[in-house]
Amino acid sequence: GAGVSQSPSNKVTEKGKDVELRCDPISGHTALYWYRQRLGQGLEFLIYFQGNSAPDKSGLPSDRFSAERTGESVSTLTIQRTQQEDSAVYLCASSLVGLSRDTQYFGPGTRLTVL
Amino acid sequence: SQELEQSPQSLIVQEGKNLTINCTSSKTLYGLYWYKQKYGEGLIFLMMLQKGGEEKSHEKITAKLDEKKQQSSLHITASQPSHAGIYLCGADNGGSNYKLTFGKGTLLTVNP
Repeated sequence: GAGVSQSPSNKVTEKGKDVELRCDPISGHTALYWYRQRLGQGLEFLIYFQGNSAPDKSGLPSDRFSAERTGESVSTLTIQRTQQEDSAVYLCASSLVGLSRDTQYFGPGTRLTVL
Repeated sequence: SQELEQSPQSLIVQEGKNLTINCTSSKTLYGLYWYKQKYGEGLIFLMMLQKGGEEKSHEKITAKLDEKKQQSSLHITASQPSHAGIYLCGADNGGSNYKLTFGKGTLLTVNP
């Protein structure tokens, strides 16, 4: 596709439920990033994938958060036992090679609301 | 860790007016990115600056990075309602660090 796509665009869930968010990067981009944007806050880095290298998970806030990526394509971010503080917009980005100065292109985000 | 402060937090201008948004870092900016965010559209990449004193323009938007590489400004000339949105600055920490740190954003409203 022309840009990064994410699904669903909105997700409302009950506290304690698991949710799965999906990201389709730009074709040919080897690097993929997940960020979280909570109300009134800047974007927080969550996780980074680059090719077949081990992902950088240093930004994941707890072990309830996990992410996978299939090769250089789709990625899923899973949040288990959701809490109200998980409510945020989850943004996915991709870039060509994943080095610094490599422009990251963002998807429209998934707005997660935990009731 | 690097922190980015944006000012102002929000801005309301009349169509046709010029405006400036600032982004200040606690550390040297090696790569400074400006994005625009609209609801439901994610972040739209505007410009990237990396050299001290660098200035880039696209249509009516000009971004500058100061010589000390600790402050960037985004200037919009003759603002239009289409410029409305949240402007975010993001920065990497240099070297091979691909992670971006973002400011909290500046909400711009342009009244017709």
